[in-house]
Amino acid sequence: EAQVTQNPRYLITVTGKKLTVTCSQNMNHEYMSWYRQDPGLGLRQIYYSMNVEVTDKGDVPEGYKVSRKEKRNFPLILESPSPNQTSLYFCASSLSSGLLNTGELFFGEGSRLTVL
Amino acid sequence: QKEVEQNSGPLSVPEGAIASLNCTYSDRVSQSFFWYRQYSGKSPELIMSIYSNGDKEDGRFTAQLNKASQYVSLLIRDSQPSDSATYLCAVNRRPGNQFYFGTGTSLTVIP
Repeated sequence: EAQVTQNPRYLITVTGKKLTVTCSQNMNHEYMSWYRQDPGLGLRQIYYSMNVEVTDKGDVPEGYKVSRKEKRNFPLILESPSPNQTSLYFCASSLSSGLLNTGELFFGEGSRLTVL
Repeated sequence: QKEVEQNSGPLSVPEGAIASLNCTYSDRVSQSFFWYRQYSGKSPELIMSIYSNGDKEDGRFTAQLNKASQYVSLLIRDSQPSDSATYLCAVNRRPGNQFYFGTGTSLTVIP
């Protein structure tokens, strides 16, 4: 089954404790990205990657890191989480970053993070 | 100014009516336009994409794009209670392949 898998789905942590949210897709997609969703602010792009070893900042990259060492995986790293990073996080992938890209994003199920 | 703006609603329509959802975007170089549906507690899923001016129909859904007015809309005909969800407008801009989402319009279809 084609899917984007995120882990963990739910996490409560404390300020400053490093955490990683994993994202994996099995569709051989080139493009992957991370979003956070907050009430009244909608979905905002954190980072995106157009291919292996190619990553770029989105609109709200502060406090986050990413890496793309393999095509299928795109982990989101919070080196020192703070309460303002409490949010619902979505990973998404898309077929191609080039001209053939239909633009359809396939989303993971989301990871709800609470930072105390 | 936000990249993508939507009326947050809530929008309520009776079952069988036409629901009309609207979206404006700020950047004229935006190239691709999308409507995603998000049920409560779930992830967004694509329901329509449109790339050129005019209308695009898919079943009960019609997307309309007017690049001169920087306006995208979604019409849902014969609305069903299962259409009750939040609808997200998104635009895609090249180069860079960045996606920008609106805050969503909450739709309730009343049986």
